[in-house]
Amino acid sequence: LAKTTQPISMDSYEGQEVNITCSHNNIATNDYITWYQQFPSQGPRFIIQGYKTKVTNEVASLFIPADRKSSTLSLPRVSLSDTAVYYCLVVDRSGGYNKLIFGAGTRLAVHP
Amino acid sequence: NAGVTQTPKFRILKIGQSMTLQCTQDMNHNYMYWYRQDPGMGLKLIYYSVGAGITDKGEVPNGYNVSRSTTEDFPLRLELAAPSQTSVYFCASRRQTDTQYFGPGTRLTVL
Repeated sequence: LAKTTQPISMDSYEGQEVNITCSHNNIATNDYITWYQQFPSQGPRFIIQGYKTKVTNEVASLFIPADRKSSTLSLPRVSLSDTAVYYCLVVDRSGGYNKLIFGAGTRLAVHP
Repeated sequence: NAGVTQTPKFRILKIGQSMTLQCTQDMNHNYMYWYRQDPGMGLKLIYYSVGAGITDKGEVPNGYNVSRSTTEDFPLRLELAAPSQTSVYFCASRRQTDTQYFGPGTRLTVL
């Protein structure tokens, strides 16, 4: 399972765009990059997943360069409610047990 | 659908007591997981199941047991509770290649 590295914490202000970069140097061919969000006292919640280039949904965008050794989660115009811990994981979607390995995540604090 | 439900939400145990954390999902997911999360840390996998009757150990299985008699239920059993098992426990489930859906968690304190 590929190990991921991401910043421990980040600060931002309401209305700004936030970019959280994650490195995953030993990502495998079958691995997808997946991001989860966790609010205090809640379970993690899936945000976005991608394999290469760019993926966008109603919540975020995910940018993955050609070598796939890193990825960037982009949150447009954050609000106070985006204050949470964000986890970057690589997941083997070729089948099997899909074990998720969580690191400490990135604690994002959005200020007024 | 209610999704993944967990009971109880909170529990305080004395050292040496036993208890079962309940997890139920109504999405007909084959895969189910139990994680624990210590303060300020990421989640660690305790046990997982790929279907009824099939379970396997994760990263930190010691002190826990599981069973999977039905697709819907995946209870986690703590025998002889220890202070090191004080944590928040999350259950999750998924379909074949889908993402994992997490329950709201059970906060357990062992004194």
